[in-house]
Amino acid sequence: SAVISQKPSRDICQRGTSLTIQCQVDSQVTMMFWYRQQPGQSLTLIATANQGSEATYESGFVIDKFPISRPNLTFSTLTVSNMSPEDSSIYLCSAWTATGNTIYFGEGSWLTVV
Amino acid sequence: LAKTTQPISMDSYEGQEVNITCSHNNIATNDYITWYQQFPSQGPRFIIQGYKTKVTNEVASLFIPADRKSSTLSLPRVSLSDTAVYYCLVGDRSPGNTPLVFGKGTRLSVIA
Repeated sequence: SAVISQKPSRDICQRGTSLTIQCQVDSQVTMMFWYRQQPGQSLTLIATANQGSEATYESGFVIDKFPISRPNLTFSTLTVSNMSPEDSSIYLCSAWTATGNTIYFGEGSWLTVV
Repeated sequence: LAKTTQPISMDSYEGQEVNITCSHNNIATNDYITWYQQFPSQGPRFIIQGYKTKVTNEVASLFIPADRKSSTLSLPRVSLSDTAVYYCLVGDRSPGNTPLVFGKGTRLSVIA
């Protein structure tokens, strides 16, 4: 398995500001993904974070709103830009490990936009 | 991507065995079935994964019939701490292929 750490775990943000969430994996992983989970809902995939290239975004998510970086095989960031109350969610980082043949999740970053 | 259908919610008493069934009628040949557990305000936790027949680990068992169009997660003797949302996912587990897409999950409530 992989241990995935996210920072911050929780934050309250002002409308119109941006926040960057960091994700650190304790081992090199092939793939990293970012999910969003709105209150009471299931997880929705935002994008696949590609090492050394631009992220691959799912329908409904754009780079200007959710810029993603992945400078190496163990680290990624997700920025939520120009936040509005509708962005209040849990943002989850996940990683695919070849040894485990499945994806593992961090504990999430709970953002509340006021 | 194979779509999954699960019951929205289930209730159980402590000590009972709980079986949660997931339908995935259009599962592909390369797809595996993976179950996750999620507690409130936490990330999903991997429970078990299988391709066919039966898989068992220290936490649960996974039963997959020959046609693989459904699967059943079995939790033996549940306790209050098993109250959580359980997600069934179907997808190719090869790295670099399609990432796992979550359905709505099953909210299990264990009652004392």
